[in-house]
Amino acid sequence: DTEVTQTPKHLVMGMTNKKSLKCEQHMGHRAMYWYKQKAKKPPELMFVYSYEKLSINESVPSRFSPECPNSSLLNLHLHALQPEDSALYLCASSHWGLAGGVETQYFGPGTRLLVL
Amino acid sequence: SQQGEEDPQALSIQEGENATMNCSYKTSINNLQWYRQNSGRGLVHLILIRSNEREKHSGRLRVTLDTSKKSSSLLITASRAADTASYFCATDAPDSGGSNYKLTFGKGTLLTVNP
Repeated sequence: DTEVTQTPKHLVMGMTNKKSLKCEQHMGHRAMYWYKQKAKKPPELMFVYSYEKLSINESVPSRFSPECPNSSLLNLHLHALQPEDSALYLCASSHWGLAGGVETQYFGPGTRLLVL
Repeated sequence: SQQGEEDPQALSIQEGENATMNCSYKTSINNLQWYRQNSGRGLVHLILIRSNEREKHSGRLRVTLDTSKKSSSLLITASRAADTASYFCATDAPDSGGSNYKLTFGKGTLLTVNP
């Protein structure tokens, strides 16, 4: 199984809502990632988890709260978002690179988020 | 800051022609990766080339890496309409703390293959 799944596929939320994005993989990968991608732009890294611990936070606003309940699951909790947070949110997983370096990442199809 | 920069930003060719995309980067790397993204979908990994490798092949794809020039190229031979997508190079670099590595994506090349 080389698939990363993400739910939901689409999400529309108001600025006062609380919602969560979910990501799952069963490849035995111990690194999981959240990226944000705006239209016609490259993905931008938000968070990295390695062995279920947060290892990189790219100065993401606190209205985005990641969680890694176990080695297969990654959540992104959303609260009080702004319209400019509308984007495609991509989850990825990989083996953790030994001695530095980032190994091949496997991406999910993404959640398209619209904040009204 | 942008680690990888692709060139050209957009490329339009006819089916059967070859497509070449270039990527330049600024700092030393452990490896460089190429990904493909169909419109509005997730990214698909194409090739990973390590800093001690100069060339790698996978099917119709050929990637070269020149660490002295800090550049890489992706060649797609005998292109097909189904190759129409955005192509990104991605390089690894340490985060601000220096102890963890992350992928930084270039701006991408939008390839259109006309039937």
